[in-house]
Amino acid sequence: DTAVSQTPKYLVTQMGNDKSIKCEQNLGHDTMYWYKQDSKKFLKIMFSYNNKELIINETVPNRFSPKSPDKAHLNLHINSLELGDSAVYFCASSSQAGGTDTQYFGPGTRLTVL
Amino acid sequence: GEDVEQSLFLSVREGDSSVINCTYTDSSSTYLYWYKQEPGAGLQLLTYIFSNMDMKQDQRLTVLLNKKDKHLSLRIADTQTGDSAIYFCAEISNSGNTPLVFGKGTRLSVIA
Repeated sequence: DTAVSQTPKYLVTQMGNDKSIKCEQNLGHDTMYWYKQDSKKFLKIMFSYNNKELIINETVPNRFSPKSPDKAHLNLHINSLELGDSAVYFCASSSQAGGTDTQYFGPGTRLTVL
Repeated sequence: GEDVEQSLFLSVREGDSSVINCTYTDSSSTYLYWYKQEPGAGLQLLTYIFSNMDMKQDQRLTVLLNKKDKHLSLRIADTQTGDSAIYFCAEISNSGNTPLVFGKGTRLSVIA
């Protein structure tokens, strides 16, 4: 009965590879987000989708491409991985596009680029 | 842009009260949140307060909001070793499709 789930939990890969992280929410929410937490624990928004449409795209390299096949899923694909991409990536969801409703977070995916 | 500031570290003795402070700059903040992150874990929503409230209590947690000074605090009564974690303050405004803006987190260490 997990509310927001992410796979994989850990991802270790070589520089230059392409990888994907998946996120699913079973809360019936219409807005989903990707946040990045760096090694200093700073959390920043990357993307936000509402009903499968991109509504926020912060200054993230275009190697990062979110994809929302339906409003319960928001996947993150990363091309040509770099060392600086190592971080914990959190998916979240909320019930209003304006984001005024509470955001619930997934457990995070720890990405390590070697 | 919006900014949220927190002190980075707090150390308390078990059984004492902890007070974690946060300041923010966005005057259009509508909701303010406290999230807890234990080592190696995700973000757990602890509590939130709507901007037209000045206090919210939930068991051992008390949230105080001073909207004039843009100051938010989280008080944990009878702090336990299981409360050791990083506590993030976050705010959201109603000025569009804005995401959460997080503070840098306060690492709470509870000494037995």
